[in-house]
Amino acid sequence: AQSVTQPDIHITVSEGASLELRCNYSYGATPYLFWYVQSPGQGLQLLLKYFSGDTLVQGIKGFEAEFKRSQSSFNLRKPSVHWSDAAEYFCAVGAPQNQGGKLIFGQGTELSVKP
Amino acid sequence: DSGVTQTPKHLITATGQRVTLRCSPRSGDLSVYWYQQSLDQGLQFLIQYYNGEERAKGNILERFSAQQFPDLHSELNLSSLELGDSALYFCASSVGRGVVWEQFFGPGTRLTVL
Repeated sequence: AQSVTQPDIHITVSEGASLELRCNYSYGATPYLFWYVQSPGQGLQLLLKYFSGDTLVQGIKGFEAEFKRSQSSFNLRKPSVHWSDAAEYFCAVGAPQNQGGKLIFGQGTELSVKP
Repeated sequence: DSGVTQTPKHLITATGQRVTLRCSPRSGDLSVYWYQQSLDQGLQFLIQYYNGEERAKGNILERFSAQQFPDLHSELNLSSLELGDSALYFCASSVGRGVVWEQFFGPGTRLTVL
């Protein structure tokens, strides 16, 4: 069965520092991978996605993620964090077509940003 | 603003009651998904509809049901409510019914069962 693990429940970084949020997935075939962000009181917003091709994908708000098949990972990075990046981040894998288009989410990583 | 609307924003009710959550997808989107977000279970897929038909089911309880109407809005019905049903319920919509289509999430309905 497909699954997603986000090892870090909570991360604190200083404003201006770099960020890496970890995501590991379990999936039999080439996965469809996503990162979403949830700000307090808001719905989820798609940051970026990987379907195929270039393993380094660029997203919105200056985020990028790298797909590493050998490590079953899809880590999210940002070179310089802003205070407005404080939020909860979810990694997700898309289920196969015969299971509809559902997303299977990790438990989330809460990001705090120190001034 | 994703273009997906959910009503109500908050709902407080008692155990044993029944509630209906409503979702209006983005204009042109045919797929609607329902997800439940709780502290102990995280974000979990409940059910998907595409153009009025149920297409996929997740860990949805028998006390829960959903439907998608001809105008493509969807309703999630929760009955015989228990304390453990307290959660944030999200609706998402997409153009198609495969994972390649981006899902746009609504702001959610926060359900509190007392």
